[in-house]
Amino acid sequence: GESVGLHLPTLSVQEGDNSIINCAYSNSASDYFIWYKQESGKGPQFIIDIRSNMDKRQGQRVTVLLNKTVKHLSLQIAATQPGDSAVYFCAENRGQAGTALIFGKGTTLSVSS
Amino acid sequence: ETGVTQSPTHLIKTRGQQVTLRCSSQSGHNTVSWYQQALGQGPQFIFQYYREEENGRGNFPPRFSGLQFPNYSSELNVNALELDDSALYLCASSLEVRAGGPDTQYFGPGTRLTVL
Repeated sequence: GESVGLHLPTLSVQEGDNSIINCAYSNSASDYFIWYKQESGKGPQFIIDIRSNMDKRQGQRVTVLLNKTVKHLSLQIAATQPGDSAVYFCAENRGQAGTALIFGKGTTLSVSS
Repeated sequence: ETGVTQSPTHLIKTRGQQVTLRCSSQSGHNTVSWYQQALGQGPQFIFQYYREEENGRGNFPPRFSGLQFPNYSSELNVNALELDDSALYLCASSLEVRAGGPDTQYFGPGTRLTVL
């Protein structure tokens, strides 16, 4: 079935490295994508979003890339810090304003110092 | 901090009981969505309320019901609790639904429900 998924369940990096977390989606009608960070015992925290009319968007230390041709989304974190350790989810919203977010299973990022 | 609050933080119930979870949306938001997150999984959409009316529902049985109040706060009610209902229940608030496209959803800290 159609779903949002992540390529790897875990990613381990050294402090200061750049991290790349990947996500694949299957519904070409999806037009809004969001990355969330979830720390243990907390709710998902919004990181960055991108709409389908863009292929790149940058925030503070984060960049999201969208490749609609291969239905691929990635989150790049520059100079990864121990505080970035968390589970990262990509989510898609399929078309209509204010409707459900469809989440993938998540990638656990572990940053060692 | 998103400004979205949920209560209670934790809750323990027994099978067959009923539970009510509460959510206060971020100031200025009038849409609340509820999600269920099982351990190790991503959140699953339950339903959404916009201006006090249900505005979409996921694949959850009718024993999951909700309300939204004039101040845009919301309740999630679950009847006849089952063991599989044990999960983290998240609410997310967003700005007014508009034709320009989906609005960013901001999540609260969640309520951890354990059904014994």
